[in-house]
Amino acid sequence: GENVEQHPSTLSVQEGDSAVIKCTYSDSASNYFPWYKQELGKRPQLIIDIRSNVGEKKDQRIAVTLNKTAKHFSLHITETQPEDSAVYFCAASQPTGANNLFFGTGTRLTVIP
Amino acid sequence: GAVVSQHPSWVICKSGTSVKIECRSLDFQATTMFWYRQFPKQSLMLMATSNEGSKATYEQGVEKDKFLINHASLTLSTLTVTSAHPEDSSFYICSTKRQLNTEAFFGQGTRLTVV
Repeated sequence: GENVEQHPSTLSVQEGDSAVIKCTYSDSASNYFPWYKQELGKRPQLIIDIRSNVGEKKDQRIAVTLNKTAKHFSLHITETQPEDSAVYFCAASQPTGANNLFFGTGTRLTVIP
Repeated sequence: GAVVSQHPSWVICKSGTSVKIECRSLDFQATTMFWYRQFPKQSLMLMATSNEGSKATYEQGVEKDKFLINHASLTLSTLTVTSAHPEDSSFYICSTKRQLNTEAFFGQGTRLTVV
């Protein structure tokens, strides 16, 4: 099955700085890569996603890059704000089978005011 | 966007009792629902995939007799934790998708505490 690894597990940045979270996946059949933000005790919320036919996608301060050859994808948050503090999960899924998401281990991002 | 409603949001039960968690898809018919378990400060681990009108598919290591899943309609899936023990205390969360390989929508989650 798919194995998604995520680094770092914790990340602290000063407000206004950028944050980068990296994930790798093992199965080349995976072709959909979402990123979720989860605040304490709440449901994960999709913040951005990318498909394997695209190398980069941007939405305001958030961007995701995908390198299919290397099987890794990254989340970039620019101009970080305290409200960006949360746990971020990357995930991967495949177009066949049960189509469930395989999640990374999560990154706890703290933005220091 | 789609809305997935999960109830209860939290529950405390005694050891040995059973607890039922409901997951409803409010905006669309969900053929498949996913049940996850999340321990504190850890990732979401898939427990089982619930399929409407058929048996659920359980991940390796998940006891199907302990975690009973029923998906009797296209809008409702239930997870019943039977004979709960303190080690079953966790955050349980369901999700579903409109289509293959698209955004997953999550329920609010259920924090189960077994005392």
